[in-house]
Parts: sequence; C-alpha cells; structure tokens
Amino acid sequence: DAMVIQNPRYQVTQFGKPVTLSCSQTLNHNVMYWYQQKSSQAPKLLFHYYDKDFNNEADTPDNFQSRRPNTSFCFLDIRSPGLGDAAMYLCATSRDLGGSGGPREKQYFGPGTRLTVT
Amino acid sequence: GDSVTQMEGPVTLSEEAFLTINCTYTATGYPSLFWYVQYPGEGLQLLLKATKADDKGSNKGFEATYRKETTSFHLEKGSVQVSDSAVYFCALRAGSNYKLTFGKGTLLTVNP
Repeated sequence: DAMVIQNPRYQVTQFGKPVTLSCSQTLNHNVMYWYQQKSSQAPKLLFHYYDKDFNNEADTPDNFQSRRPNTSFCFLDIRSPGLGDAAMYLCATSRDLGGSGGPREKQYFGPGTRLTVT
Repeated sequence: GDSVTQMEGPVTLSEEAFLTINCTYTATGYPSLFWYVQYPGEGLQLLLKATKADDKGSNKGFEATYRKETTSFHLEKGSVQVSDSAVYFCALRAGSNYKLTFGKGTLLTVNP
C-alpha cells in the first residue's frame, strides 16, 4: 500500500547531540510537511517543502533544519536537542495540483516518531 | 492568529451512544475545516472536511457542519462503536496557506 513511513518510531538522544528523523513516501506527492506535537498539545507545523522549495514557519527555532534530497524522502535535523524538544514528530504529504485557490488536496500523515531527550 | 479550540477529553461512552465533540475556531477569511482521527499506533487520517459555510462533511457515520455564524464545526455520530475509540483532531486551513492549524485533540473511548 502507498503510504508515509517514518523511521524510527522511537528515538532517544542526549541533550545537545544532533539527531535526524526520517520520512519517506510512496505516494509521489510534491508537498511534504513536518509537524511537532508535544504532550497534550496540538500538532504544530515546523516547515514544509513544495517540491524542492523550503518554507519555514516564522516561529520555528533555528535548531530545526530539514533536507529533501528527492521526492520520496525528507529529513528533520535537530542540531542541538534540548529537553523541550521532546515530542512526537509527524511527517505528512500532499499533492498540490496547482492553480488558483491554494492547496485543496488532503494531507496524509505518517505514524510519527517519538523523540526522547535525556 | 488562527486557532482551534476543541472540547477537553477524555470522553468515555458506551457502545451505541450519541457522540458530540465540540470545535470552534478563529481565523481570518474563509478557512477550510477538517476532522482528523488517530487510531492507536497510527498516523492522523482525514475523517471529513468542509470548505464553505453550511457545508456538511460526512464519513463513516460521522458528520460535521460548517457554521460560520457560530464559527463552529462540531463532530457528531449517532451511534458509536468500540472501533471508533481514537483521538479526534479538529483543524483548519486558512486561504492559500499550506499549514493545518490543529486543536489539542479529544480522546474518545467507547466501551462495549
């Protein structure tokens, strides 16, 4: 089945040690997103890629970076994780058909990676 | 800025009970509104959506109506099943923005 895959499902890292979370998709969608969901809070968009164009949300900390080497893969890099970065990280994809009116296609989510910072 | 407020959980119901999960929003312009569901161990899945006032989204027995006058998009189901146990998220997307703005989620548990 076509899907959004996130690896690993659980990640433990040390305070200040760089960590990378992975997302891959078999849907061939041109838009990919990273959301952060802290405990008992709403998922919050960090950034998204429209094809190769990176779009950062204004309040996303500089500590968070992303790479999209090709259509299928997208990575979330946390350069120096702090205790406050412990969260569930959700990857999503959508297909934007272009034209007026903005994005109309639904977002498909992966199962998430739960990050623990010790 | 845009925001979504949904009722605090958890909600616990018996099978075949009526479900309402309240959702209200604040947004500029005319947002599209969504309900997503997250089953245990899985990603968020789109349950239903509405893109303009008075639209009714429906899927799997769930319904929600876009009420512009009350800025609400309440989720309802007439008879819940054990398999409906999940976390439900209300969300909006404003205009041409790619971002989904989510509520905090409501955990629903349905007991046999």
